Amino acid sequence: EAAVTQSPRNKVTVTGGNVTLSCRQTNSHNYMYWYRQDTGHGLRLIHYSYGAGNLQIGDVPDGYKATRTTQEDFFLLLELASPSQTSLYFCASSDAVNQDTQYFGPGTRLLVL
Amino acid sequence: GQQVQQSPASLVLQEGENAELQCNFSTSLNSMQWFYQRPGGSLVSLFYNPSGTKHSGRLTSTTVIKERRSSLHISSSQTTDSGTYLCALERTGGYKVVFGSGTRLLVSP
Repeated sequence: EAAVTQSPRNKVTVTGGNVTLSCRQTNSHNYMYWYRQDTGHGLRLIHYSYGAGNLQIGDVPDGYKATRTTQEDFFLLLELASPSQTSLYFCASSDAVNQDTQYFGPGTRLLVL
Repeated sequence: GQQVQQSPASLVLQEGENAELQCNFSTSLNSMQWFYQRPGGSLVSLFYNPSGTKHSGRLTSTTVIKERRSSLHISSSQTTDSGTYLCALERTGGYKVVFGSGTRLLVSP
């Protein structure tokens, strides 16, 4: 059974639209992460969290908000989507003790028209 | 400049050949991790290897911190090995993971 799930798996929106990407992990991990993957850039960290209510800024946070409501759930919010945010988004989790071993969700493909 | 450089960017093999993928980094690190990304996009962790050599089946990962490099060796490649291989390092001085751009591997029968 998948330990990190994401929804939706695919999303199309228009410029200026409001999008929420959801991630749930059942690993009992403290750390959760949001990445985006674009050709030529690999994966880039948007936001991460080390527990419910906590949020840390990653390397490419502009245009994104995130919220960690519980240990299991981490949401990525695009309040005014732009075409530059068209990407493949991955959520991941890791153990607080061994935070470097990350487990990834299946990804969400977002297209902003 | 990029802190993590992967090479080659792409590689084509005949089934049964070996492959050596490289990851070079320009910053000090706490850890190094290798991932396999399937053609459909999903990511699988292969190795967490901050230093030394680790083996898993036909795969071997070697990280040499003082030389600022990590390698992934695939022996006796199979068509099912096709996909993208990513290395990722965690920098020292606070949590920040940096990914390389990946090596795209195609193994033909």
